[in-house]
Amino acid sequence: DAGVIQSPRHEVTEMGQEVTLRCKPISGHDYLFWYRQTMMRGLELLIYFNNNVPIDDSGMPEDRFSAKMPNASFSTLKIQPSEPRDSAVYFCASSLGQKNTEAFFGQGTRLTVV
Amino acid sequence: GQQVMQIPQYQHVQEGEDFTTYCNSSTTLSNIQWYKQRPGGHPVFLIQLVKSGEVKKQKRLTFQFGEAKKNSSLHITATQTTDVGTYFCARASGSARQLTFGSGTQLTVLP
Repeated sequence: DAGVIQSPRHEVTEMGQEVTLRCKPISGHDYLFWYRQTMMRGLELLIYFNNNVPIDDSGMPEDRFSAKMPNASFSTLKIQPSEPRDSAVYFCASSLGQKNTEAFFGQGTRLTVV
Repeated sequence: GQQVMQIPQYQHVQEGEDFTTYCNSSTTLSNIQWYKQRPGGHPVFLIQLVKSGEVKKQKRLTFQFGEAKKNSSLHITATQTTDVGTYFCARASGSARQLTFGSGTQLTVLP
């Protein structure tokens, strides 16, 4: 398996523009997570899905953020409109969600909003 | 929420010296996971500890879980330049095993 695949790897956009980040989880994993990493706040969970259903979005910072998982092999995280403070590295991760399993992270998308 | 505190934030060592990072919680942890993130990379799972007093080793890395399950440590013996990166502890909770990360310890190894 190629692991968790995220695209794009880097995104630079202007304030006010819509940004869409994409993720393909590992086949067979039934949990998908979106994390954000910043210097100030570290690694924080934004939202997670179980079998394509959003379970907990309490970490989503504002209504400008939304996430979808239309099928088991694809998820998106959208920011509309984007703001400079959204600049961060966004990681997607997937797992089996069982008691003794690990989370597998994608390479991340480095977002810069200018 | 239940925070996981990690110290130190930064550590510079000479190659060959030992390194230790500590993770502490005010509440009992059901488990603790450790991840390594290389500069510019993504978190990579190292290990999970679940039992009180558990000690696990991976080559030069030794992981411990406290008797009270409120703290954990990662010790690296004789560091190498390949050990450079940020080491995170994380608490996995809930049915999804979602992770709450510590703040990480950034390790620099000077040749």
